[in-house]
Amino acid sequence: DAKTTQPPSMDCAEGRAANLPCNHSTISGNEYVYWYRQIHSQGPQYIIHGLKNNETNEMASLIITEDRKSSTLILPHATLRDTAVYYCIVTRWGGSEKLVFGKGTKLTVNP
Amino acid sequence: ETGVTQTPRHLVMGMTNKKSLKCEQHLGHNAMYWYKQSAKKPLELMFVYSLEERVENNSVPSRFSPECPNSSHLFLHLHTLQPEDSALYLCASSQDRGRNTEAFFGQGTRLTVV
Repeated sequence: DAKTTQPPSMDCAEGRAANLPCNHSTISGNEYVYWYRQIHSQGPQYIIHGLKNNETNEMASLIITEDRKSSTLILPHATLRDTAVYYCIVTRWGGSEKLVFGKGTKLTVNP
Repeated sequence: ETGVTQTPRHLVMGMTNKKSLKCEQHLGHNAMYWYKQSAKKPLELMFVYSLEERVENNSVPSRFSPECPNSSHLFLHLHTLQPEDSALYLCASSQDRGRNTEAFFGQGTRLTVV
C-alpha cells in the first residue's frame, strides 16, 4: 500500500474551515484514500473515503487532486469537538484490514 | 456509539495473570479485528477474522490468543504478559474484509501490566 505524509500538527479557529493535507505520491490506480480520526483515548472514527472524485458527506469533504498524488480533508465549520488526530490512509480494494495507520495530524480547534 | 462494544474499558493485571478482553458487535458485520495502540505509536493490526476464521496474524506473540466463537463476538486471551504490552487494545469490525468498506472501532480497553 502507498505511504502517506501528513503534517504532525495544525491549528484552526472554531467556526472556520479546517483543511488537512495529505501527500500520497506513490498511490496506484486501485488504491483508495481513507480518512479516520481519533479523539483522545477513543477508538478511531471513519470520516470519508474516495478513489478519484471529490466526495462529501455530513462530516467532511474530500478533495483529491487530478493526479491523485495528494488530497485534502475539509471540515467546513470546525468545532472544539473536532480536536483529534486525523489519519490519511491509502489502501487497495481488499477490505478494511489493510488500514495501516501512520502518525496522522493532530488538529487543535481553538475557541 | 459505534455499535462495537469492548469490555472491560480498563484492566490492570500482573505478569502471571490470565485475563480476556471481549468485543461485541451487532452490526451484522462479517469481519472483526484486534489492534494495539502503544503510547506515542501508531495503531498496529494484530489479528483479522473473517466469518469466524482467522485470516491474518501479524507476527503477534503467542501470549496473545484470539478467539472468535461467532461473527458477533471476538475475544483476546492474555497470559504471561510483559509490562511493554501495556497499551490501548482496540477492536473493530467491517461488513466484509473483501470489500472496500469502513471499519467501526470500539472504545478500546486500556491495559496496564504490572
